[in-house]
Amino acid sequence: DTGVSQNPRHKITKRGQNVTFRCDPISEHNRLYWYRQTLGQGPEFLTYFQNEAQLEKSRLLSDRFSAERPKGSFSTLEIQRTEQGDSAMYLCASSPYGQGLLNQPQHFGDGTRLSIL
Amino acid sequence: QKEVEQDPGPLSVPEGAIVSLNCTYSNSAFQYFMWYRQYSRKGPELLMYTYSSGNKEDGRFTAQVDKSSKYISLFIRDSQPSDSATYLCAMNSGNTGKLIFGQGTTLQVKP
Repeated sequence: DTGVSQNPRHKITKRGQNVTFRCDPISEHNRLYWYRQTLGQGPEFLTYFQNEAQLEKSRLLSDRFSAERPKGSFSTLEIQRTEQGDSAMYLCASSPYGQGLLNQPQHFGDGTRLSIL
Repeated sequence: QKEVEQDPGPLSVPEGAIVSLNCTYSNSAFQYFMWYRQYSRKGPELLMYTYSSGNKEDGRFTAQVDKSSKYISLFIRDSQPSDSATYLCAMNSGNTGKLIFGQGTTLQVKP
């Protein structure tokens, strides 16, 4: 049973550049979530998908952020024109959802750590 | 005021001690409660998952939920140095996939 996979593990970029992260969920999980975690804080919700539909977005997800899950499998999170405040760990999680599987716990990947120079 | 409050610690205990970790919350709609363990530079790992009020036990771990007080706890018996990590509580209402996390409590178990 492979877990949630995130790539890259660490991304260093200059302010103003665009970055893209990838998340591969557990294969039978149709829900996929993105969170952001800064040092000393718990994860903060960004957005989530059920299959390819984006069901909810946080106010934290400014117009510089976009997430996609085009085929209902892997997802990408893009940040355009990065700012110093975007430095954080970006976590992806997945869970199953459907008949008899309502509100199942979320399983997390090891995250992508973004450092803005 | 945050929806979920958790003392960040750090909490330091000797090996073999019983550890008590707690969270309080303000949203009475929360019905699903989770505890995650997070090691440095790793993602959160699910430890316990409970629905509504009551107790749940899994090995050395016991989770308690008191919805009337809006208070949840995680107890770790016979703590080990390998339990040294950050413990995050999380919860949601079930009407959305969004989890609300506490700040996390850093635990150190000394040999």
